[in-house]
Amino acid sequence: AQSVTQPDIHITVSEGASLELRCNYSYGATPYLFWYVQSPGQGLQLLLKYFSGDTLVQGIKGFEAEFKRSQSSFNLRKPSVHWSDAAEYFCAVFSGGYNKLIFGAGTRLAVHP
Amino acid sequence: DAGVIQSPRHEVTEMGQEVTLRCKPISGHNSLFWYRQTMMRGLELLIYFNNNVPIDDSGMPEDRFSAKMPNASFSTLKIQPSEPRDSAVYFCASSLTNMGTSGRVEQFFGPGTRLTVL
Repeated sequence: AQSVTQPDIHITVSEGASLELRCNYSYGATPYLFWYVQSPGQGLQLLLKYFSGDTLVQGIKGFEAEFKRSQSSFNLRKPSVHWSDAAEYFCAVFSGGYNKLIFGAGTRLAVHP
Repeated sequence: DAGVIQSPRHEVTEMGQEVTLRCKPISGHNSLFWYRQTMMRGLELLIYFNNNVPIDDSGMPEDRFSAKMPNASFSTLKIQPSEPRDSAVYFCASSLTNMGTSGRVEQFFGPGTRLTVL
């Protein structure tokens, strides 16, 4: 069955430090992959998506993600974190068989000044 | 564009009462999704409509939950009777989906309705 694993429930980084959030997926075919961000009290906002082609995708707010088929991973990165990046981040895979998004459990990011 | 609109933003009710959550998708979108978010279970898809027709309701927890989409601009999620374990944040999302791009589209989320059942 399709699934998404985000191994880190909580991550704390200092402002200005680099960030990598991990995401592993289980899906038989070529996956459609997404990263969403949820700020406190808000809905989810799409950061970036991967469908095909270049395995390094750029998103909004300075985020990027790299698709690695051999590792079944789609990790999210940012070279320098800002305090406003504190939020919860969700990785998701589109399950064509079920025609819906499968979300990971989320990673809550805290940013120290 | 106003984005996906949900009402109410917060709802507090007592066990056994009927609760109705409302959603207005983005104009022109033909797919609508209802999700539930809890600490224990994360984000779960409850039901998915395409062109106002329910396509997949396998995520609806039980018969107490029902959803309708009478037209392209409005959907409701109803819980009757409500129970404390229904307390969660309920999100509505919409997207523009067609046969050629199914899945390769962004779902736009509303701000959610925080439901508390006492």
